[in-house]
Amino acid sequence: GAVVSQHPSWVICKSGTSVKIECRSLDFQATTMFWYRQFPKQSLMLMATSNEGSKATYEQGVEKDKFLINHASLTLSTLTVTSAHPEDSSFYICSARGDNEKLFFGSGTQLSVL
Amino acid sequence: GESVGLHLPTLSVQEGDNSIINCAYSNSASDYFIWYKQESGKGPQFIIDIRSNMDKRQGQRVTVLLNKTVKHLSLQIAATQPGDSAVYFCAENSFGNEKLTFGTGTRLTIIP
Repeated sequence: GAVVSQHPSWVICKSGTSVKIECRSLDFQATTMFWYRQFPKQSLMLMATSNEGSKATYEQGVEKDKFLINHASLTLSTLTVTSAHPEDSSFYICSARGDNEKLFFGSGTQLSVL
Repeated sequence: GESVGLHLPTLSVQEGDNSIINCAYSNSASDYFIWYKQESGKGPQFIIDIRSNMDKRQGQRVTVLLNKTVKHLSLQIAATQPGDSAVYFCAENSFGNEKLTFGTGTRLTIIP
């Protein structure tokens, strides 16, 4: 099946710094990728839809200036958490839709902001 | 707003027994449903899907049942194994809507 690679798998950073998370579709092209956030014992909440070559579409309540998304190619989308604060600590997951319309997920990135 | 929810947040099943995880959805326009398995610290893993023109679909040890009349979805896992312990999410979307809506999740624990 299709593989979505997400990197890093975990990151610890100081408050006020920025963190970049990469999401790559390894064996297929994805014009659309999705970014989710998941708090402990909760479901996945869609943050934004990343569109190759255009601006991302953010869900209501998600700050676009804080969560910068860049979908520069058909196989790569990045999420940058700018000026991270402890409340941004969460599990971030990306996904991409394959040719068969199934959604494949990355392995997630655990962000801890000190 | 529209939502997809689960009846039970936790479920414990004896190894070897069958398990059933339920999901209710409210969007009558939903026409595609998916079950995902998420292990601790990992991303969701696709298990099985079903479209609204079907009532039942079977995979390896898993069966998904869809009852559109009552907007109910279930995942049956046969002969459960310790590796089946995880959180299971149902998700749905509708034609023309590329976004998935996830349910709240059920933690399945297999008792040895």
